[in-house]
Amino acid sequence: DIQMTQSPSTLSASVGDRVTITCRASQSISGWLAWYQQKPGKAPELLIYKASSLEGGVPSRFSGSGSGTEFTLTISSLQPDDFATYYCQQYYTYAYSFGQGTKLEIK
Amino acid sequence: EVQLVESGGGLVQPGESLRLSCTDSGFTFNKSWMTWVRQAPGKGLEWVANIKQDGSEKYYVDSVKGRFTISRDNAKNSLHLQMNSLRAEDTAVYYCARDKFDGYSNGFVKYWGQGTLVTVSS
Repeated sequence: DIQMTQSPSTLSASVGDRVTITCRASQSISGWLAWYQQKPGKAPELLIYKASSLEGGVPSRFSGSGSGTEFTLTISSLQPDDFATYYCQQYYTYAYSFGQGTKLEIK
Repeated sequence: EVQLVESGGGLVQPGESLRLSCTDSGFTFNKSWMTWVRQAPGKGLEWVANIKQDGSEKYYVDSVKGRFTISRDNAKNSLHLQMNSLRAEDTAVYYCARDKFDGYSNGFVKYWGQGTLVTVSS
C-alpha cells in the first residue's frame, strides 16, 4: 500500500501569507494526486487534481505542483476563508489513500 | 446537478451489521464511478471502496475486505455499503462520493454527500 505523509500537520499563518503544504508518497505515484479542503462539520471539497489542475471555481491563489513522490499545495495569499484542513490523496493504485491532513490555523 | 444524500447510519454493537445507502438526485448516476470515504471522529479521511458504473469492478481498503460490500442500483440511482462484523474502529462518518468526470475511473471525487454517522459500541 502507498503511504501518504503530509507536512506540517499544523500550520499557523496570517491573512496575506504565502503558505506551502507538502505531501510525500512512499513510492512514485506519477502525477496522480488530488488535494481537498475540509472545514469543520462539512464534507471535503476538491481543490486540485492530477497534481496541478485547478478545479473549476477554486480561487487562483491555490496551486499544486510536483510529481513522483513529492507534491506541494501552495496558497499564494491566505484569505480568512482558507483556514481549514487540507488533505492530499493518491489515486495511482488501489487502495487509494489520503494523507493525514494539515490543519491551517490563524496565527 | 448532482446531489448525494446518505442514510442508514446509527448505533450498533460490535459484530453487528448495517447497510448504508446513498441516493443521487442527478440524471447521470449510471455513468459515474462511486466511492465511499470515511472519517473517524476527530481523524483524517480514509478511502473505503469504489465501484464501476455497471458494478463489474469493486475495490476495497484492506481493513474492510471480506466484511464490507459495495453495490449499486442504477435503476434507483442508489449506492450501498453493506457492513458486516462491525468493529469499534469502523466508527466514523461515512461519505458517499462521486467522480468528477463520467465514463471512466477518475480516482478522485468531486461530489460529496453530507455524511452519515456509524457508531459501533457496546
